[in-house]
Amino acid sequence: DVKVTQSSRYLVKRTGEKVFLECVQDMDHENMFWYRQDPGLGLRLIYFSYDVKMKEKGDIPEGYSVSREKKERFSLILESASTNQTSMYLCASSPTGTGYNQPQHFGDGTRLSIL
Amino acid sequence: AQSVTQLGSHVSVSEGALVLLRCNYSSSVPPYLFWYVQYPNQGLQLLLKYTTGATLVKGINGFEAEFKKSETSFHLTKPSAHMSDAAEYFCAVSVQGAQKLVFGQGTRLTINP
Repeated sequence: DVKVTQSSRYLVKRTGEKVFLECVQDMDHENMFWYRQDPGLGLRLIYFSYDVKMKEKGDIPEGYSVSREKKERFSLILESASTNQTSMYLCASSPTGTGYNQPQHFGDGTRLSIL
Repeated sequence: AQSVTQLGSHVSVSEGALVLLRCNYSSSVPPYLFWYVQYPNQGLQLLLKYTTGATLVKGINGFEAEFKKSETSFHLTKPSAHMSDAAEYFCAVSVQGAQKLVFGQGTRLTINP
């Protein structure tokens, strides 16, 4: 079965820290995505990647960066965490070079609190 | 650019009643439409999708949705609600050539016993 694994379910960090969120998929998918989910705002795309070492900005990339050194792994980095980055973060993956008609498969999310 | 509007951030129905969750989209080209469900403390799971062909799409857990181009809608229905249907539901749209999905704001479904 399809599996997207996020390294932490809950994470508490302090303002100014550099934070790493890790995501691994076992489906050999080309596309990987990072979203943040906030009440009333739905899912907003932060960054996505359609190949190793490739990345594209989503709708809200400010304050974030990403890394994709291997096909199965996609990392989200908060360069200097701030309280307004407290949120639920969801990783997803999808097959094929253009995932427009393919469903995305989601991890269980990381609930990140910045104090 | 595409967009999705889900009408009603919170819907409450009685067990056994009809479930209707509304989704309207905006797209200048033919859309691909998805419904996802999110149970508490979990990620999103695909319920159903419309790409091309039959406009009435059946999904898992007894849900279905109908693509109506004239109304730019893709409403989700289930004839008889079950307690286990309590969750948050997201509608999403994509188009050919796009690399990403655009999600609606979500609708939280509550089932009353």
